Amino acid sequence: DVKVTQSSRYLVKRTGEKVFLECVQDMDHENMFWYRQDPGLGLRLIYFSYDVKMKEKGDIPEGYSVSREKKERFSLILESASTNQTSMYLCASRATGFNSPLHFGNGTRLTVT
Amino acid sequence: AQSVTQPDIHITVSEGASLELRCNYSYGATPYLFWYVQSPGQGLQLLLKYFSGDTLVQGIKGFEAEFKRSQSSFNLRKPSVHWSDAAEYFCAVGAPGTYKYIFGTGTRLKVLA
Repeated sequence: DVKVTQSSRYLVKRTGEKVFLECVQDMDHENMFWYRQDPGLGLRLIYFSYDVKMKEKGDIPEGYSVSREKKERFSLILESASTNQTSMYLCASRATGFNSPLHFGNGTRLTVT
Repeated sequence: AQSVTQPDIHITVSEGASLELRCNYSYGATPYLFWYVQSPGQGLQLLLKYFSGDTLVQGIKGFEAEFKRSQSSFNLRKPSVHWSDAAEYFCAVGAPGTYKYIFGTGTRLKVLA
């Protein structure tokens, strides 16, 4: 089974802090994704990476950046956290192939105070 | 533009009753279609997927879904619901040739004992 591990289940940060969310997958998947989940809005794509050091903006990239230095690891960075970034963050990975399904981590619930 | 609509925000059924969760999509061609389930505090787990071929698709946990091109629908069904099925269910559309998935806003299922 594919395992996608997000380093933190819960995080509490202060406004203005730089925040790192880490995600590791163990199935040698080329593609990795960061989503944000908010009630009533479903999942919205922040960034995805189709290979090491390659990234593309999703639908809501503002206020976020990403890093993929190794194939198995995809980091989401909040440069200066704001209260409107309080949310559930989900990492996912998938194999190459547009019909491959996403495999999700358990999520990180971030609260910015 | 592509979109996914899950018209029911909440559904309550009794244990042992049948279940149907609705999903409608808007896309110019036949997309890749997925249903995911999210238990409280967890990430999303793939229930089933449709790409082509037989329009009735079997998934895990006794779920099935039927693709109806004429109605642009991909409804999820289960003949007899168990209390452990209480969760949130997401329909998703993947556009062939892209990395993007569009998720519906989810349907939260409550099961009465």
